Amino acid sequence: AQKITQTQPGMFVQEKEAVTLDCTYDTSDQSYGLFWYKQPSSGEMIFLIYQGSYDEQNATEGRYSLNFQKARKSANLVISASQLGDSAMYFCAMRVDRGSTLGRLYFGRGTQLTVWP
Amino acid sequence: DVKVTQSSRYLVKRTGEKVFLECVQDMDHENMFWYRQDPGLGLRLIYFSYDVKMKEKGDIPEGYSVSREKKERFSLILESASTNQTSMYLCASSLGQGAYLYEQYFGPGTRLTVT
Repeated sequence: AQKITQTQPGMFVQEKEAVTLDCTYDTSDQSYGLFWYKQPSSGEMIFLIYQGSYDEQNATEGRYSLNFQKARKSANLVISASQLGDSAMYFCAMRVDRGSTLGRLYFGRGTQLTVWP
Repeated sequence: DVKVTQSSRYLVKRTGEKVFLECVQDMDHENMFWYRQDPGLGLRLIYFSYDVKMKEKGDIPEGYSVSREKKERFSLILESASTNQTSMYLCASSLGQGAYLYEQYFGPGTRLTVT
């Protein structure tokens, strides 16, 4: 079975500081992808970053980076230089590359990040 | 820009009513998905579809059905709404076979209240 675990229901960080949001995953498949989405209070889901299981380098997108540790099955999101607009719910998700379920994502329960001035 | 639209942002229905939630995407995506989102539970997959007239059960299909008569439209149906179906419903779409990321694009959500 596929599972995503986000153990931090809420996180607080001061503006301009870095913050790490934890995500661990469980799958027996060798080929998979990991995603992070942001959901502001307005409700829309915004794709942030992606890491493939065979990618050797950690993914980066601007202030976002994904700390991928395959042996530990973790895919933590690091946000550098936090901004007030980063306050949102963050979801980790996994895609497993198997025919019958190709394309579906498994989501964690989310982490509510609050950035304070 | 990919656009996924949902028919209503807010909906209030009575117990026992038949409820239709509509989702339309404009990027010719093969895959479409319906999730419900509840506080502390994240997004849970209800149903998904890889092609027209095709559907697959997700993790919580009980009490729901779906319809995909056209590629761009995916409908979620609550045959007889109950109060425990009060939730936020999110629709998403993605490219199909051969896509690189299978990144999902989400609609704005429908907050359904069943009284």
